[in-house]
Amino acid sequence: QVQLQQWGAGLLKPSETLSLTCAVYGGPFSGSLRDYYWSWIRQPPGKGLEWIGEINHSGSANYNPSLKSRVTISIDTSRNQFSLTLNSVTAADTAMYYCASRVVPAAVGLWGQGTLVTVSS
Amino acid sequence: QSALTQPRSLSGSPGQSVTISCTGTSSDVGSYNYVSWYQQHPGEAPKFMIYDVNKRPSGVPDRFSGFKSGNTASLTISGLQAEDEADYYCCSYAGSYVVFGGGTKLTVL
Repeated sequence: QVQLQQWGAGLLKPSETLSLTCAVYGGPFSGSLRDYYWSWIRQPPGKGLEWIGEINHSGSANYNPSLKSRVTISIDTSRNQFSLTLNSVTAADTAMYYCASRVVPAAVGLWGQGTLVTVSS
Repeated sequence: QSALTQPRSLSGSPGQSVTISCTGTSSDVGSYNYVSWYQQHPGEAPKFMIYDVNKRPSGVPDRFSGFKSGNTASLTISGLQAEDEADYYCCSYAGSYVVFGGGTKLTVL
């Protein structure tokens, strides 16, 4: 059974870089999990979900057009981990950040536990 | 891209049926049969309820059903139960990216 476990800094100052990592347990990226896409999704407090982007095992990534200029999603197949980097954060980036996975397009079947990231001076 | 449009709130009594709409555009909902729905209780991660417009993952009761017509998708919950009270989000594939709806707060009276 595939499980996701995420971690990263929870408090940032404006203009700093957000960095989160998600470890995947339950199979190798390039083996039994090769058909998965690995996603990042966020949810500001009291608000709705926002898709940030996703990456597959070969490193091909897609991003939300509204965040594309500040976002990088990378994958480390040797460690079965994928990561999110968001540059130049502001208070508007304060949110619960989830790592997640899907096989079918737009069908996010598995979610990490979430990491609350607060941006405050 | 803009978020898909959902009603902010809906309510229903136990045993009743409710339908949550999700309106997109010809670039997302209207172009792909990749619409999914998520249920989120307070303080929890979203739970996957429907995918590919009308398919249920294992373990999701058949009280939950999905439909799509044109640019609008919908989620119907039949035989409403107290535990169905939650926020619901639709989601659509849009080519190279994914877009969520703004969410609907469902209250069970």
